[in-house]
Amino acid sequence: EAGVAQSPRYKIIEKRQSVAFWCNPISGHATLYWYQQILGQGPKLLIQFQNNGVVDDSQLPKDRFSAERLKGVDSTLKIQPAKLEDSAVYLCASSYTGATGNTIYFGEGSWLTVV
Amino acid sequence: GENVEQHPSTLSVQEGDSAVIKCTYSDSASNYFPWYKQELGKRPQLIIDIRSNVGEKKDQRIAVTLNKTAKHFSLHITETQPEDSAVYFCAASLSGSARQLTFGSGTQLTVLP
Repeated sequence: EAGVAQSPRYKIIEKRQSVAFWCNPISGHATLYWYQQILGQGPKLLIQFQNNGVVDDSQLPKDRFSAERLKGVDSTLKIQPAKLEDSAVYLCASSYTGATGNTIYFGEGSWLTVV
Repeated sequence: GENVEQHPSTLSVQEGDSAVIKCTYSDSASNYFPWYKQELGKRPQLIIDIRSNVGEKKDQRIAVTLNKTAKHFSLHITETQPEDSAVYFCAASLSGSARQLTFGSGTQLTVLP
């Protein structure tokens, strides 16, 4: 089956600019996650969707980050304005449901460098 | 919230030797513990997982053990091969209908030929 698709794979922007990342989860997966992975660290959850509703966005810096999943399938993550410390890999992941017993599958990630 | 500690941060072993990576978690309500392997520039991939009603699980050369009382779990890789070289992450998830993984900081495993 097709995996989690993300684009763009790489992006370099200047601080204070904006950037958007797109994610297409595995077909039929109701739960979608965005994780931030800073170099040398484990992924950190930013936001979790169940269909088109937000389950948890407690770790999303809402003053600059936003995410949406309008039709319950694709999702976009936006950063505006970007800061140097936003340089990281943004990983999208999905699972069939959010329940225990469902494997979480990751995309290849979108690498962001803020200069 | 949940906190997961992982060690060592780097581990070098000779090909054919065993490797052990250990993690501890803070929230006794956590009930799902997966291990992910991440090669450079690639996506994290699930290699094995264990649930809190099981003490040990094995899949060929990979095994995971869980001690709920002590709140720690470990990954064991036997007969290591160069292709096992990667970063390994442990994670823990709280019980309930919405699963959110809290990851450890990762272990860079290098298998020397």
